[in-house]
Amino acid sequence: GNSVTQMEGPVTLSEEAFLTINCTYTATGYPSLFWYVQYPGEGLQLLLKATKADDKGSNKGFEATYRKETTSFHLEKGSVQVSDSAVYFCALSDSSGYSTLTFGKGTMLLVSP
Amino acid sequence: DGGITQSPKYLFRKEGQNVTLSCEQNLNHDAMYWYRQDPGQGLRLIYYSQIVNDFQKGDIAEGYSVSREKKESFPLTVTSAQKNPTAFYLCASRNPLTGASNTEAFFGQGTRLTVV
Repeated sequence: GNSVTQMEGPVTLSEEAFLTINCTYTATGYPSLFWYVQYPGEGLQLLLKATKADDKGSNKGFEATYRKETTSFHLEKGSVQVSDSAVYFCALSDSSGYSTLTFGKGTMLLVSP
Repeated sequence: DGGITQSPKYLFRKEGQNVTLSCEQNLNHDAMYWYRQDPGQGLRLIYYSQIVNDFQKGDIAEGYSVSREKKESFPLTVTSAQKNPTAFYLCASRNPLTGASNTEAFFGQGTRLTVV
């Protein structure tokens, strides 16, 4: 079956540091890949997505590139802010007709001033 | 504004009681989902529905029930058979029916259920 593996957190950084959160996946066919963000006490919001190999998703300074050869979709940001503190979830949707979303366990990011 | 609404935000249940969590969407999405979130475990799928009057069990359906009588609504009942119901519950919706893999899910704000 499908699965998503994320690096365990928390990831603790100082403001303006470089961020990488690793995500690898196992899936059949050609899945679409997503990063969601969850702020405390709230639901999930889509951060970015990529739908085919070598696509790069980007939003609010965050980027992730769909690497089929390494089955990875690592999240990066060049300079984090305190307001980026949240839990980040990597997810995939496979190409079957009635697919559901499969999520990783989430990685908490804590950014200090 | 289009969106997905969960209510209530906080819910307290006595042991042995059934409770129902509401989820309504006005996005005209065919597919709806219920996830349970526990610390350190990510999101686990409880039930999902691809079309009105049809739904399927997810990975952790035991102790839960759902209905899908209207496209806009997908309520979740936590029954007394659920042994550890305290958790954060998230509802989501998605389109289209054909399940194109590149469409993202939209989430509600969640309901925090506590057994007292």
